[in-house]
Amino acid sequence: EPEVTQTPSHQVTQMGQEVILRCVPISNHLYFYWYRQILGQKVEFLVSFYNNEISEKSEIFDDQFSVERPDGSNFTLKIRSTKLEDSAMYFCASSVLNTGELFFGEGSRLTVL
Amino acid sequence: GENVEQHPSTLSVQEGDSAVIKCTYSDSASNYFPWYKQELGKRPQLIIDIRSNVGEKKDQRIAVTLNKTAKHFSLHITETQPEDSAVYFCAASREGGSEKLVFGKGTKLTVNP
Repeated sequence: EPEVTQTPSHQVTQMGQEVILRCVPISNHLYFYWYRQILGQKVEFLVSFYNNEISEKSEIFDDQFSVERPDGSNFTLKIRSTKLEDSAMYFCASSVLNTGELFFGEGSRLTVL
Repeated sequence: GENVEQHPSTLSVQEGDSAVIKCTYSDSASNYFPWYKQELGKRPQLIIDIRSNVGEKKDQRIAVTLNKTAKHFSLHITETQPEDSAVYFCAASREGGSEKLVFGKGTKLTVNP
């Protein structure tokens, strides 16, 4: 069964450093998302991406965040200057047009020290 | 924007009993309501979903009901088993592929053997 894959599974970084989280969505999916989950809390929407541009972003997704689909398969989330409060599990997800069903990756745990 | 409330936050049942988790939503334009199961440290996985053109959907021991007038939907698990223990999240969106899912805060279900 096709899966969304994410790397790295866990990254530890110093505050102020740049981080790039990578995702490979399911190949025939057209919509891509990043969500985050702070430990013990709910899953929160960050950004959606379609047709090589951002469709929607939340208030969490400020100027420190950016997304890119550089090569038609990878979908990346960059955090330019990490803060302690960016520590969370970041989930990539993808969906096929018009079904609404999201398929999540296993997540990338980011720890900012 | 959409707001999803979920209750209870924790639920403990004996094996074989039924479990019910309830959610309410605020955006009357929402028309897609999935339920995700998340085991500790794992990705959220879709277990059942319902669209606004039906009032109930069942899949073996799991059922979901939707009351569009009251803007609430519920997850019912019958004959619970220890492996049903997990955190369950409800969510809502306007179906169309680019619309984000808004999640509830989750219910930690514990099934005691």
